[in-house]
Amino acid sequence: DAGVIQSPRHEVTEMGQEVTLRCKPISGHDYLFWYRQTMMRGLELLIYFNNNVPIDDSGMPEDRFSAKMPNASFSTLKIQPSEPRDSAVYFCASSRGTGATGELFFGEGSRLTVL
Amino acid sequence: GIQVEQSPPDLILQEGANSTLRCNFSDSVNNLQWFHQNPWGQLINLFYIPSGTKQNGRLSATTVATERYSLLYISSSQTTDSGVYFCAVDPGNQFYFGTGTSLTVIP
Repeated sequence: DAGVIQSPRHEVTEMGQEVTLRCKPISGHDYLFWYRQTMMRGLELLIYFNNNVPIDDSGMPEDRFSAKMPNASFSTLKIQPSEPRDSAVYFCASSRGTGATGELFFGEGSRLTVL
Repeated sequence: GIQVEQSPPDLILQEGANSTLRCNFSDSVNNLQWFHQNPWGQLINLFYIPSGTKQNGRLSATTVATERYSLLYISSSQTTDSGVYFCAVDPGNQFYFGTGTSLTVIP
């Protein structure tokens, strides 16, 4: 079975540009998570969805960040306008349930560099 | 939110040595996972272990949920074990990650 698929793997852009990161969760998984990893802050949860509905977006740093999940097999994380401090690795993860049931699986990440 | 502490923060081992990594958490959890982030940045699932003991080759893990800790054992370490090991706990709504143990295995 295919794992979580993210694109692009690497993105280099200039400050002020729009960035869109994409994620395809594992088929049958009903939870989808977006994480950001930096040296300073480690792995931090940005937002998660259950059955395509955003449940908790309290980790989204500011209004420049938005995420959507139009269907069970696709999600996007958008940054507009991007800033150099947004440079990080963005991971998407999915699970079948949470709590006592949900093992989390990660994609390979999207490494974003904003110049 | 729940606090997750991992120790030691850094570890250097000679190839062939054994090690124990620890994860303490501040509240009861329904779920706990160990991950290995390899030098290429990939997060690899090691164990899904809310309680009890599991073994996979040279690695094993034990979670004592009532005492709020988990241990990851690495035996006969190899250079490919290098990377960062993360513990993640789920009290019922989302996973919270520790800051990781950075392991370097030298030949």
